Amino acid sequence: DTGVSQNPRHKITKRGQNVTFRCDPISEHNRLYWYRQTLGQGPEFLTYFQNEAQLEKSRLLSDRFSAERPKGSFSTLEIQRTEQGDSAMYLCASSLAFYGYTFGSGTRLTVV
Amino acid sequence: QKEVEQNSGPLSVPEGAIASLNCTYSDRGSQSFFWYRQYSGKSPELIMFIYSNGDKEDGRFTAQLNKASQYVSLLIRDSQPSDSATYLCAVNMAQGGSEKLVFGKGTKLTVNP
Repeated sequence: DTGVSQNPRHKITKRGQNVTFRCDPISEHNRLYWYRQTLGQGPEFLTYFQNEAQLEKSRLLSDRFSAERPKGSFSTLEIQRTEQGDSAMYLCASSLAFYGYTFGSGTRLTVV
Repeated sequence: QKEVEQNSGPLSVPEGAIASLNCTYSDRGSQSFFWYRQYSGKSPELIMFIYSNGDKEDGRFTAQLNKASQYVSLLIRDSQPSDSATYLCAVNMAQGGSEKLVFGKGTKLTVNP
């Protein structure tokens, strides 16, 4: 068990570019979550997968955001046409049942 | 009304004192409650969870839950400088076959040597 792995750790991109982040959950965990956190705020829910099914997507997410979890293993989060307001820490978490999440180290996105 | 509310602090206590962190939530149907610790620049780390009314103790940490008042708290006894961090309260919210944790903004705790 190597924990939840996220790549890259940091990403700097120009406004208007597309970015993709990857999350590898703990292997036996069937639940996977994406959150976004900005300075001084708690993590904000983005989306939830149980196995390969995306069961919930936050209403706060625009159509520029998409997430996948093919075969119920790793997940990717893509942001198209990035905006400066997308700058944040993107956190992935996984769990087996509902006993609390294990978070990855996060991907810090800076849009310039 | 925000779903999970915490005093943002900062809360400052001397080393060895008891730190008390509070959280209220809006969804009466919530059944499980979590406290995470987050050091600056790091991701949240689970320190305690509680499901039943009353107290739950784990070492220097005690979580308290009062579902009637929709109130959760975390007490840290014998506070140490290494406890200085932001503490996030999280509440499980289930709806339509999905469930997720909803987080408060966090309370920043500083323990002074």
